[in-house]
Amino acid sequence: DVKVTQSSRYLVKRTGEKVFLECVQDMDHENMFWYRQDPGLGLRLIYFSYDVKMKEKGDIPEGYSVSREKKERFSLILESASTNQTSMYLCASSLGEVRGNTIYFGEGSWLTVV
Amino acid sequence: SQQGEEDPQALSIQEGENATMNCSYKTSINNLQWYRQNSGRGLVHLILIRSNEREKHSGRLRVTLDTSKKSSSLLITASRAADTASYFCATSAWSEDMRFGAGTRLTVKP
Repeated sequence: DVKVTQSSRYLVKRTGEKVFLECVQDMDHENMFWYRQDPGLGLRLIYFSYDVKMKEKGDIPEGYSVSREKKERFSLILESASTNQTSMYLCASSLGEVRGNTIYFGEGSWLTVV
Repeated sequence: SQQGEEDPQALSIQEGENATMNCSYKTSINNLQWYRQNSGRGLVHLILIRSNEREKHSGRLRVTLDTSKKSSSLLITASRAADTASYFCATSAWSEDMRFGAGTRLTVKP
């Protein structure tokens, strides 16, 4: 089975802190994604990556950056956390160059910024 | 954006009844997928239907796609309390990544 592991399930951070959310997948998938999920808004794509060291902005990249130094690992970085970034963050991966392949999700990271 | 929109937002039924959820989208797609999310967990893929398909089945799930109306439906037959979850449709176009709707929250009462 494909496994996408998000290192932290629950985090509480202070406003202005730098926050790292780590994600690792074990199926050699080319594509990795970070989504944010808020009630009533569904999943919104923050960033995605189709290859090592490659990244593309999604719909809501402001306030976030990403890093993909190895194929299996995709990190989401909040440079200076703000309270409006309190949310659930979902990492995901998918196989291949074709867009629209099945996406496999991690269990999510609940971030609270106080 | 070709983001799908699910309807209804919430659905409550009795165990044993069928549950139908709908998804509408705005632009041409190459496939549409349905995902399930248990409370506080990640999403799990249920079924994928391609733009040249009209209907697919998987166990108690039946998905239809009407590209002329830009809509899809997910039918869960003989629902169980364990089917209680949120259900999302996700659409992808040839040049764009998948986008998810806000989901339908299904409650199945025992």
